[in-house]
Amino acid sequence: SQTIHQWPATLVQPVGSPLSLECTVEGTSNPNLYWYRQAAGRGLQLLFYSVGIGQISSEVPQNLSASRPQDRQFILSSKKLLLSDSGFYLCAWSVGAGYGYTFGSGTRLTVV
Amino acid sequence: DQQVKQNSPSLSVQEGRISILNCDYTNSMFDYFLWYKKYPAEGPTFLISISSIKDKNEDGRFTVFLNKSAKHLSLHIVPSQPGDSAVYFCAASGNAGGTSYGKLTFGQGTILTVHP
Repeated sequence: SQTIHQWPATLVQPVGSPLSLECTVEGTSNPNLYWYRQAAGRGLQLLFYSVGIGQISSEVPQNLSASRPQDRQFILSSKKLLLSDSGFYLCAWSVGAGYGYTFGSGTRLTVV
Repeated sequence: DQQVKQNSPSLSVQEGRISILNCDYTNSMFDYFLWYKKYPAEGPTFLISISSIKDKNEDGRFTVFLNKSAKHLSLHIVPSQPGDSAVYFCAASGNAGGTSYGKLTFGQGTILTVHP
């Protein structure tokens, strides 16, 4: 069966520090991978998606970047965090168009 | 541009009664709709879906209705239980010229509270 792992669960980082959140999927090949953010009191905003190794599409301009170094690994990064980067970050995978997502358990990021 | 909207931020229902959560969309290219349930500090979990070729899909206590002409879908939960208390997100996707890559567009969510 397929599983998705996301870590860490919580993170408190000072403004200006770097960020690296990791997501891995098991039990499937060539999944579509997604990073979403839920800011306080808001819905789920798509940040990045990837349909293959090294292929990253950004949905909104921001202080973050994403990479997919391996088929089932998706990384969200920042060189210098801003206060506005605080939020709940979710990784998800799907088999493609017309299918729903399976989400990871999320990372609560607080930038102080 | 909010293509998927959930205009009710919250809904309070008595246990045993019906909960109706609503969702509107603007993009006529959407052809697949889903509902997700989310507890605090957890990732959303899939609840039920419907494709645009149907107008109703039922799974146990959960029924999703789709009105394509009105670009409106709703989730009915009958009977509601206290364990149903969570945030509910509707989501939509569409194969717009084959470039959607399975992206889901989510609404803002509705907080459902079911009182014992």
